[in-house]
Amino acid sequence: DIQMTQSPSSLSASVGDRVTLTCRASQSVSSNLNWYQQKPGKAPKLLIYAASTLQSGVPSRFIGSGSGTEFTLTVSSLQPEDFATYFCQHSYSIDGTFGPGTKVDI
Amino acid sequence: QVTLKESGPVLVKPSETLTLTCTVSGFSLSNAGMGVSWIRQPPGKALEWLAHIFSNGEKSYNTSLESRFTISKDTSKSQVALTMTNVEAVDTATYFCARRNTGARDAFDIWGQGTMVTVSS
Repeated sequence: DIQMTQSPSSLSASVGDRVTLTCRASQSVSSNLNWYQQKPGKAPKLLIYAASTLQSGVPSRFIGSGSGTEFTLTVSSLQPEDFATYFCQHSYSIDGTFGPGTKVDI
Repeated sequence: QVTLKESGPVLVKPSETLTLTCTVSGFSLSNAGMGVSWIRQPPGKALEWLAHIFSNGEKSYNTSLESRFTISKDTSKSQVALTMTNVEAVDTATYFCARRNTGARDAFDIWGQGTMVTVSS
């Protein structure tokens, strides 16, 4: 099974900050890497798929990059509504594992 | 508008069988490239993929888990079911169904709101 790790596990930031989250896979997943945002008590929301493709309706301040085993999600200018937990997930195989998440708080 | 909605019991006793239902709208379960997965999240923890059913009816399960799960679908009712036998306290979680879309490189593009299930005597 492919294992996913994320760093940091949490971070504190301010509105307007540029933040970068990292996701690593235990083996190459090519560009089959997705990012989700989850707020408390809500379902995850797809932000980026295929490592760098913005899901329809998602603000352009969310930027995904990477391939193989290392990926990043950058939020270019944090907005109040961006404080949430972010999960990466590979879709290289049907058993697409999720990472443990990065919580972004104020 | 594409939606998914989970339903099922809120509380189940240990060793019982749990059946959850996901009712979809806005797309057909027989549409090529549109499958549905079940994913769970214990309180305060990460997401765990459980099972998937493809548009052609093929199924796939998380092999890291015991074979207590069965996924099925009724295309005419637009429903996908997950059955879990012999539930334990560790199965306490919010259960989500989500559409896996090959047009989005197999990402889960639409999620249900989730249903919280507690396993307790």
